[in-house]
This record gives sequence, structure tokens and C-alpha cells, in this order.
Amino acid sequence: SQKIEQNSEALNIQEGKTATLTCNYTNYSPAYLQWYRQDPGRGPVFLLLIRENEKEKRKERLKVTFDTTLKQSLFHITASQPADSATYLCGSGYSTLTFGKGTMLLVSP
Amino acid sequence: GAVVSQHPSWVICKSGTSVKIECRSLDFQATTMFWYRQFPKQSLMLMATSNEGSKATYEQGVEKDKFLINHASLTLSTLTVTSAHPEDSSFYICSARSTGSYESPLHFGNGTRLTVT
Repeated sequence: SQKIEQNSEALNIQEGKTATLTCNYTNYSPAYLQWYRQDPGRGPVFLLLIRENEKEKRKERLKVTFDTTLKQSLFHITASQPADSATYLCGSGYSTLTFGKGTMLLVSP
Repeated sequence: GAVVSQHPSWVICKSGTSVKIECRSLDFQATTMFWYRQFPKQSLMLMATSNEGSKATYEQGVEKDKFLINHASLTLSTLTVTSAHPEDSSFYICSARSTGSYESPLHFGNGTRLTVT
């Protein structure tokens, strides 16, 4: 069955460093992947979309890559700040979106 | 733009009662809305796709008679949890796309925390 997986362990980094989160997919080839941010007790907020024919996408301090050979997308936050602390979700699909469990990022001052 | 409003943000009810959750698209029309459920530290699990003017499409394992969905207008979908039990306690979130493209991002409400005592 189609699976989308994220490292469910929390990622702890220091302010100013680059955070890298991983999203792996198995048993299918998504046409695109979407990344969302979710704060506790809130709904997710869309951040970036990357298509299968795009190697990289950037938006301000955010960068997403898509490697169809490794079946993986990486999500980077450069110059991380405590305000970036949240859970980041990776999702894909067509009419409906399926999400991974998300990775909690904790940026300490 | 593209705001989805969900109400109530939290609700506590007694076992056996029913609870209605509303999801509104405030500045766009949504022929389709999606209802998700999220347990602590778990992924968003799609429960059903709500279609304006027609029956909802439920995911496998979701009881349609327990989770009643009504999408009576292009801006409002409701989820009613009937005869709620403690195991229905969860975080329910609705979402919608502001365009018909599958690539269009989902706009989520802020969720409803349901606690059944």
C-alpha cells in the first residue's frame, strides 16, 4: 500500500542552525509533495509544494527538494529561529491528501 | 485570503449525546471539503470527503452512520458525531481547496477538540 513516512522523533537544534526534515514515500510515485506547518492545537498551514519534475523549491528561509530516485523529499529551514518550533507535515495525493505523522522541530535559543 | 473557520474550537459532551461541528469557507466557495481526525502525536487521518449537494465519501473503516456529514451550501459543511463515546475523543479538523486543482493547497480550520466523558 502507498505509504508516506516522516521521522516521528523530535528534532532539536540550536537557533541559527539549519533544520533538515525528511519525508519518504513507498509503493507509489507522487506527482507532487506538499509541506505544512502545524502548531499545537491548530490546523496545519501550507508552506510549499514541489512537483516530481522539480529538484528544488525555495521560499524565504525554506527549501524543499524532491529526489525521485531516493523516493524522498527534504525540507530545510535555514537560520532557524525559536518561532520555527512546530510540527511539519509532508503530504501527497490527488483528490485527497495523505499525510505523514509529522516531525516536531524544537529550536532552542 | 482562503480562510476556513471551524466551530466550536472545543466541546465536552457526555457519552451517548451527539455533537455537531461546523466548517465554513469564509472567502471562497468550496464544492468539496475534507474532514480529518488527529489523535495525539499521530498523523491526520482522512475521515471523509464532503461534497456539496451530494453524499459524502467515507474512508474505509469510518462509520457513515456515526459521523454524519452534511454539505448543504458552497461555504458550509457540518460533521455530526452521533452517540459519542469516549473513544471518539479526538481533534477533528476540516479543510478545503480554494481552487479545483489537485495541486492547490488545503486550507485548514483550526480544529475542534472533542472530549467525550
